[in-house]
Amino acid sequence: DTGVSQNPRHKITKRGQNVTFRCDPISEHNRLYWYRQTLGQGPEFLTYFQNEAQLEKSRLLSDRFSAERPKGSFSTLEIQRTEQGDSAMYLCASSLVSGGTQYFGPGTRLTVL
Amino acid sequence: GIQVEQSPPDLILQEGANSTLRCNFSDSVNNLQWFHQNPWGQLINLFYIPSGTKQNGRLSATTVATERYSLLYISSSQTTDSGVYFCAVESNQGGKLIFGQGTELSVKP
Repeated sequence: DTGVSQNPRHKITKRGQNVTFRCDPISEHNRLYWYRQTLGQGPEFLTYFQNEAQLEKSRLLSDRFSAERPKGSFSTLEIQRTEQGDSAMYLCASSLVSGGTQYFGPGTRLTVL
Repeated sequence: GIQVEQSPPDLILQEGANSTLRCNFSDSVNNLQWFHQNPWGQLINLFYIPSGTKQNGRLSATTVATERYSLLYISSSQTTDSGVYFCAVESNQGGKLIFGQGTELSVKP
């Protein structure tokens, strides 16, 4: 069990650029979650997958955000036309079942200049 | 949606002191977890505790689901306990965790 991994750990980009983050969950975990955390706040839910199916999206996830989990393994989160307000820590978590313990990765810290 | 409130928002302790952190939630839950967020932002699992009492070393937690609250106890605090502690719940509808605003703990030597 190697834990949840995320890449890159840090990303600095200019406003208007597209960025993509990757999350590798704990193997055999069916559920994969994305959260966003801004300074001084608790993490906020963005979206989650059961295997390859995206089951719920938060209203925080504007049209500029898209997430995929092809083949039900790793997931990617893409932000198009980044804005300064997108600067945050993006956290990924996985769990074996609904209601089970969610394990978090180290996060990707995004800075939009 | 479900609301999660943590108290106190900030806590300063001398090394060796004990503390109690509280988490109130507004509806029935499937899952309740306590996390410690380290200075690099990593959320470290402390407890999965939708009900009952658990202990792990100097830490213990109790959730009274019928009264919709959970408590995290830290005994004989150490400077390495400093950081932000989050409570998060998953509603009976399943899926996402809803986080409280956290308690920022500072343990002074």
